[in-house]
Amino acid sequence: LAKTTQPISMDSYEGQEVNITCSHNNIATNDYITWYQQFPSQGPRFIIQGYKTKVTNEVASLFIPADRKSSTLSLPRVSLSDTAVYYCLVWGNTPLVFGKGTRLSVIA
Amino acid sequence: ETGVTQTPRHLVMGMTNKKSLKCEQHLGHNAMYWYKQSAKKPLELMFVYSLEERVENNSVPSRFSPECPNSSHLFLHLHTLQPEDSALYLCASSQGSPLAGGGNEQFFGPGTRLTVL
Repeated sequence: LAKTTQPISMDSYEGQEVNITCSHNNIATNDYITWYQQFPSQGPRFIIQGYKTKVTNEVASLFIPADRKSSTLSLPRVSLSDTAVYYCLVWGNTPLVFGKGTRLSVIA
Repeated sequence: ETGVTQTPRHLVMGMTNKKSLKCEQHLGHNAMYWYKQSAKKPLELMFVYSLEERVENNSVPSRFSPECPNSSHLFLHLHTLQPEDSALYLCASSQGSPLAGGGNEQFFGPGTRLTVL
């Protein structure tokens, strides 16, 4: 299983763009990169997934460089409601393994 | 609403009690999961059911016993638990087995907050 490393916590002001970078140096050829969001006392929620280059949806963008050893989740113009824990996972033909995630605190 | 429901939402039990947690998914998925989330710890995958095949984390104590009677329902039977088993227990489902190229997009229920006295 590919191990992921991401910052433990980040702070941001409302309205700013937030970028959370995750490293996954031993990602396998068939692995995808998946991000989840979790609010307190709730289950995680799927945000976005990608394999290479850039993926964008209505919530976030995911940037993956050519070597795929890292990825960056970009949240445009965050609001207080984006305060949550964000998990980066590398996924192949095995069940998902969640790490400790990044605790994002958005400040007014 | 994620299409995955869990009951009860809160449960307090003594160490000698027997209780069960219930999960139901209304998404037509064919894989279901139990996770444990203790305070300040990562989510721990306990069990996976996919197409009637069970995959489990070998570190899960036998006092936790899962049951999956069909693809829509999942139970976690609890007996003689310990105080350290107090945690948020989350159920999830996905379309596709994590062992066969699927299962990456999981839909989680709201969880059951379990307290063992």
